[in-house]
Amino acid sequence: AQSVTQPDIHITVSEGASLELRCNYSYGATPYLFWYVQSPGQGLQLLLKYFSGDTLVQGIKGFEAEFKRSQSSFNLRKPSVHWSDAAEYFCAVGEMDTGRRALTFGSGTRLQVQP
Amino acid sequence: SQTIHQWPATLVQPVGSPLSLECTVEGTSNPNLYWYRQAAGRGLQLLFYSVGIGQISSEVPQNLSASRPQDRQFILSSKKLLLSDSSFYLCAWSDHGGTEAFFGQGTRLTVV
Repeated sequence: AQSVTQPDIHITVSEGASLELRCNYSYGATPYLFWYVQSPGQGLQLLLKYFSGDTLVQGIKGFEAEFKRSQSSFNLRKPSVHWSDAAEYFCAVGEMDTGRRALTFGSGTRLQVQP
Repeated sequence: SQTIHQWPATLVQPVGSPLSLECTVEGTSNPNLYWYRQAAGRGLQLLFYSVGIGQISSEVPQNLSASRPQDRQFILSSKKLLLSDSSFYLCAWSDHGGTEAFFGQGTRLTVV
């Protein structure tokens, strides 16, 4: 069965600093990978996704992620964090080779941004 | 464009009372529909998914049930709520082509 691990529960960075959120997945077939962001009390918004092709994917709000098959990782990065980026971030793997097509989520990383 | 509506946004219910949370999708047809539960400080757990009208699959044994009476309507129900049902519930949809899932704004359920 597929699984997603986000090893960092909570990260604090200063505004303007760079950011990297880690994500490791376990999936037997070619993974479909996603990063979502959630503001408090809200639904999830898709930041970016990887299906195939270029392993460095660009998303909204200046985020990017790199798929590394050898490391089973899909880390999220941003060169300069803004205070509005404070939120919870979820990595997910999609099992697109079955009719179920559901997403399996990591437990999330809460990002705090210091002024 | 497609939109997903989920209501109510918040709900406080006594233990033993029934529950009905509704989710509807607009702007698409025959979507896959999902109910997720998110406990505080934890990730999302898939509760139910549906690939068509009347077709419901349950992922985990629990006190809840789901129904899909219409193509774009997905309902989460309970006959008798438990304290442990308190959580944040999210509805989502995706195309059968299997791209990303689109989420509603969620319902904060508190059972007292």
